[in-house]
Amino acid sequence: DTEVTQTPKHLVMGMTNKKSLKCEQHMGHRAMYWYKQKAKKPPELMFVYSYEKLSINESVPSRFSPECPNSSLLNLHLHALQPEDSALYLCASSQGQGVVEAFFGQGTRLTVV
Amino acid sequence: GDSVTQMEGPVTLSEEAFLTINCTYTATGYPSLFWYVQYPGEGLQLLLKATKADDKGSNKGFEATYRKETTSFHLEKGSVQVSDSAVYFCALSEDAGNNRKLIWGLGTSLAVNP
Repeated sequence: DTEVTQTPKHLVMGMTNKKSLKCEQHMGHRAMYWYKQKAKKPPELMFVYSYEKLSINESVPSRFSPECPNSSLLNLHLHALQPEDSALYLCASSQGQGVVEAFFGQGTRLTVV
Repeated sequence: GDSVTQMEGPVTLSEEAFLTINCTYTATGYPSLFWYVQYPGEGLQLLLKATKADDKGSNKGFEATYRKETTSFHLEKGSVQVSDSAVYFCALSEDAGNNRKLIWGLGTSLAVNP
């Protein structure tokens, strides 16, 4: 199993809503990542979890709140988002944070209205 | 800091044409180099990688050689297909011990016409 699974695939939410994005991997990887990608741009790193602990937060606004309940799961909780937060949100994992060969999920396409 | 520069797109080719997408980098250490591909509406897939100088990565007919003397990692394919239409990202791993991050190029869009 070499997959990273993200749900939902598409999400439309209002600016006052609270929603969560979910990511799961069963490759035994100990590092997991959240990226944000705008159309036709490279992905921007948001958060890195290493051994279930947050190790990198790239100055992301607090309306994005990551959570790593266990080594296979990664969530991104969303609250009070702005329309400019509309993007493709990608989850990735790698064997460890020092190993940068990352496996990406298909992404969640988020639209904030 | 480390950086990656890719040729600007879009690149439009006819089927069976030869493809080159240029990628050069600047790095203070000894990074690993990657090409990722993103098909329309999908996430990113690792296409190939090279971890040290003179290594050649290859996959699905694509090749790239890690050239330290020219700080380059150009992507090539001898005969492209319509199904290769996608955005291609060159990336390097910033050498910072246990806090390695991927540094991305801006991406090159490829359209292959039948």
